[in-house]
Amino acid sequence: GENVEQHPSTLSVQEGDSAVIKCTYSDSASNYFPWYKQELGKGPQLIIDIRSNVGEKKDQRIAVTLNKTAKHFSLHITETQPEDSAVYFCAARNNNAGNMLTFGGGTRLMVKP
Amino acid sequence: GAVVSQHPSRVICKSGTSVKIECRSLDFQATTMFWYRQFPKQSLMLMATSNEGSKATYEQGVEKDKFLINHASLTLSTLTVTSAHPEDSSFYICSAPSSLRNEQFFGPGTRLTVL
Repeated sequence: GENVEQHPSTLSVQEGDSAVIKCTYSDSASNYFPWYKQELGKGPQLIIDIRSNVGEKKDQRIAVTLNKTAKHFSLHITETQPEDSAVYFCAARNNNAGNMLTFGGGTRLMVKP
Repeated sequence: GAVVSQHPSRVICKSGTSVKIECRSLDFQATTMFWYRQFPKQSLMLMATSNEGSKATYEQGVEKDKFLINHASLTLSTLTVTSAHPEDSSFYICSAPSSLRNEQFFGPGTRLTVL
């Protein structure tokens, strides 16, 4: 089955700096890679996703890159703000094999004002 | 956007009692829903896949007789924690995939505390 590794587990940045979170996956058949933001006591919220036919996707301050050959994908947050502080999870899924997501271990991002 | 709700958001119960958690997709139909458990500072662990009209599929190590799942309709799945014990205390989260948008939407979670 799929295995997703996520690094780092914690990340502390100064407000305005960039943050990068990296994930690797094992199943080359995976073709959908979402990123979720989870605030304390709440459910995960989708912030951006990328499909395997695309190498990069950007939405305002958030971008995701995908390297299918190396089987890794990354989340980039620019101009970080204190409200970006949360736990971020990457996930992977094979859309041709059902809807089950495999999650990474999560990254606790702290943005210091 | 698509919304998934959970009820209750928080429950405290005595050891030995049963607790039912509801998960609803509010503006789309979901033939499949997923139930996760999340311990503090850990990732989401899939417990089971709830299937409308058929039995749930449980992940390895999850007791199906303890965690009863019923997918009553295309918009409702329930998880019942039977004979709850303190070690069942956790954050339970459901999710439902929207076939129209090919995305998976998560509920807000239910914090279960067993005394």
